[in-house]
Amino acid sequence: GAGVSQSPRYKVAKRGQDVALRCDPISGHVSLFWYQQALGQGPEFLTYFQNEAQLDKSGLPSDRFFAERPEGSVSTLKIQRTQQEDSAVYLCASSLAFVDRTGNFYEQYFGPGTRLTVT
Amino acid sequence: SQQGEEDPQALSIQEGENATMNCSYKTSINNLQWYRQNSGRGLVHLILIRSNEREKHSGRLRVTLDTSKKSSSLLITASRAADTASYFCASTVLTNTDKLIFGTGTRLQVFP
Repeated sequence: GAGVSQSPRYKVAKRGQDVALRCDPISGHVSLFWYQQALGQGPEFLTYFQNEAQLDKSGLPSDRFFAERPEGSVSTLKIQRTQQEDSAVYLCASSLAFVDRTGNFYEQYFGPGTRLTVT
Repeated sequence: SQQGEEDPQALSIQEGENATMNCSYKTSINNLQWYRQNSGRGLVHLILIRSNEREKHSGRLRVTLDTSKKSSSLLITASRAADTASYFCASTVLTNTDKLIFGTGTRLQVFP
């Protein structure tokens, strides 16, 4: 079945290089999330899209991080001038819709992640 | 910074034994979920418990929630080698997005 896919699965970048990580969410999913997972830690929220609108980017660690989802489907996370502390697994997740305060919950489906190593 | 702290950080048991993992969180939550992550693979959703619920079951999984103590536990009964993975609690808070705030995780090793 078509789950969330991410590419590349592995990326090695030299410090200072720019990288672009791609996420293909499940077709029809409105919400898309990016998380960063450092080695041995739990994922940490980076940013959230509802369709093409970036509604929350409070987790982006610096202005070197930029995410877009121009047509409300595929999303790209770009990291400029990579630093060693950017080394992590970047996870993308999508869900069918936005959860509302009545308690409706739409499960987030995660991709396999992109492991970024900055040397 | 992460919302939740989990303990133990690592747990090793024999097949057939029960495994209990605990999670504490910091702020008021909308719901709390548990995820499993196998080595090199993505996160898989296991179970969700809402803030007004105290206990929930799903197969061999039992989750409890104590909002007064801001804590939750995950019990896996009759563990199997295939349960070997990292387990994370994740909460959603009362904001305008349903972003997940994860704990630090428990690494479970089940020996056959």
